[in-house]
Amino acid sequence: KAGVTQTPRYLIKTRGQQVTLSCSPISGHRSVSWYQQTPGQGLQFLFEYFSETQRNKGNFPGRFSGRQFSNSRSEMNVSTLELGDSALYLCASSLEQTGREQYFGPGTRLTVT
Amino acid sequence: DAKTTQPNSMESNEEEPVHLPCNHSTISGTDYIHWYRQLPSQGPEYVIHGLTSNVNNRMASLAIAEDRKSSTLILHRATLRDAAVYYCILQGYQKVTFGTGTKLQVIP
Repeated sequence: KAGVTQTPRYLIKTRGQQVTLSCSPISGHRSVSWYQQTPGQGLQFLFEYFSETQRNKGNFPGRFSGRQFSNSRSEMNVSTLELGDSALYLCASSLEQTGREQYFGPGTRLTVT
Repeated sequence: DAKTTQPNSMESNEEEPVHLPCNHSTISGTDYIHWYRQLPSQGPEYVIHGLTSNVNNRMASLAIAEDRKSSTLILHRATLRDAAVYYCILQGYQKVTFGTGTKLQVIP
């Protein structure tokens, strides 16, 4: 079974631009979560989608948004990029919404200049 | 808000058991305790999880305190491939809380 895939793997953007990252979960998984990882803040939860509905949301500004499609693929969008948004963005999928193990993708490394 | 506390780093000799502690004194009754590990340049990898009872799987064991305010991940025989950052995570209905992780060094 194919694992979680994320595209693109690397991205360089300029302050003020917006960016869209994509995540394809493991086949059959309906829950997709997004995380931000930085050296200073560590791993932080962004949001979770289950059956196309956002169920959980972390403490991030409204510039961070996401969506999930009927095939469970998910995208996250960051508008008006700031230097501090430079991070590794990780996507994880699981069978159910809460409590079950998650399978992480390799991440998208976003650099904002 | 619930939070987890882990030692920044630990060392273990190869083929010896390793006990990685995690404190989560503000855990709520419905929070699951998850452990993941992360190798350099990779996404985190699931290790084990539990709610109230101790759990075993092929990778590790999870010992959960009776009051659920702490837990310990047990690697029975550390190998060089176990060198990674180990995260203790509380996963609840409305939130996910990460610890800062413990960097495990395995000495040959």
